[in-house]
Amino acid sequence: SQQGEEDPQALSIQEGENATMNCSYKTSINNLQWYRQNSGRGLVHLILIRSNEREKHSGRLRVTLDTSKKSSSLLITASRAADTASYFCATVFGGGSYIPTFGRGTSLIVHP
Amino acid sequence: SQTIHQWPATLVQPVGSPLSLECTVEGTSNPNLYWYRQAAGRGLQLLFYSVGIGQISSEVPQNLSASRPQDRQFILSSKKLLLSDSGFYLCAWSAGTGYSDEQFFGPGTRLTVL
Repeated sequence: SQQGEEDPQALSIQEGENATMNCSYKTSINNLQWYRQNSGRGLVHLILIRSNEREKHSGRLRVTLDTSKKSSSLLITASRAADTASYFCATVFGGGSYIPTFGRGTSLIVHP
Repeated sequence: SQTIHQWPATLVQPVGSPLSLECTVEGTSNPNLYWYRQAAGRGLQLLFYSVGIGQISSEVPQNLSASRPQDRQFILSSKKLLLSDSGFYLCAWSAGTGYSDEQFFGPGTRLTVL
């Protein structure tokens, strides 16, 4: 399968702590995207990082990309209860379809 | 600004009945459109995508079909539903510029087939 795989599958932390989620993939990518899904809702795009980028920030979110290791990480700093959601990475592979391929996601629970 | 609508929000249908889910996008033209299915606790499975009116690509052989009768309208259909068709169906759009930027998702339709 070409899809990215998130790790861990589930993560439970206390408010104020940092949350780190990882995504690994197997073939070269054009870009990698992170999405968030609240229970029973649609996905919301968080960050897109291109293959020639190594790090991007958006508010409390930090995404890194290591193309040599074929992996990406999403860091949420100073987490809040409202960050409770599932987080998905989606990979867009080079040289073919431009459609993002989604992993199975990491379920994050932030306890108040 | 762009918005995407899906309806209905929830649907309970008996096995063997037909299905029609609708998705419309506002505020953009010539979008790429997508239908996904998400099983409980799982990732998204791409079902169909479309790069233009009347152009449909199917990713997974199944009991479903899709149509794009207008530029910003995407319809998911079935003639006879199966139990395995139950799931959360998501419509999404992206700008039609090749290597796509982000996808924008609708609120989803929860389908239960009994």
